[in-house]
Amino acid sequence: RKEVEQDPGPFNVPEGATVAFNCTYSNSASQSFFWYRQDCRKEPKLLMSVYSSGNEDGRFTAQLNRASQYISLLIRDSKLSDSATYLCVVTMFSGGYNKLIFGAGTRLAVHP
Amino acid sequence: GAGVSQSPSNKVTEKGKDVELRCDPISGHTALYWYRQSLGQGLEFLIYFQGNSAPDKSGLPSDRFSAERTGGSVSTLTIQRTQQEDSAVYLCASSLGGGGYTFGSGTRLTVV
Repeated sequence: RKEVEQDPGPFNVPEGATVAFNCTYSNSASQSFFWYRQDCRKEPKLLMSVYSSGNEDGRFTAQLNRASQYISLLIRDSKLSDSATYLCVVTMFSGGYNKLIFGAGTRLAVHP
Repeated sequence: GAGVSQSPSNKVTEKGKDVELRCDPISGHTALYWYRQSLGQGLEFLIYFQGNSAPDKSGLPSDRFSAERTGGSVSTLTIQRTQQEDSAVYLCASSLGGGGYTFGSGTRLTVV
């Protein structure tokens, strides 16, 4: 079983739609959680951290359920510029440091 | 520097040749990571540096791969006797040791 699993998509949605991505992780000892965004042929960039209490940044809302080992990202009022691959990332303390483990990503395509 | 700098941005090499990829992390970032990403795939961890030492080399795929870091700054990833399956984007990231990573724009390696 992969350490971090995501639905690869693609999710094809019209502008203005609300879309949700889910992610599960296998190691209950995972400590920190993030969503990264990766545009085509570009490097990943940190989108937002994910906290147990849930957190929001504009149109983006992230949720963490530690009991279910489940992370989500909700994007409201989708824009064309939201088209990208969204990477779910967890950290695990291993060998004296927090190692980032990446999911394979979920592709989002927003169309007019 | 202001960001993570990687060079070269693109490298085409013949099978069997050695290549060196360079990463210049954000000034003051003690942690440095190498990942690789094959076409359409997720990020694969290669190696982690804390200062000049590499406490986690578990992701290096074979003994043809090696990396070093000097002065707690620049890192070089060396691939000897390159094979076609080594073709990928090699991404370097740095961090202060916790939280999110900042990635460089990567080196796209093509082995022909």
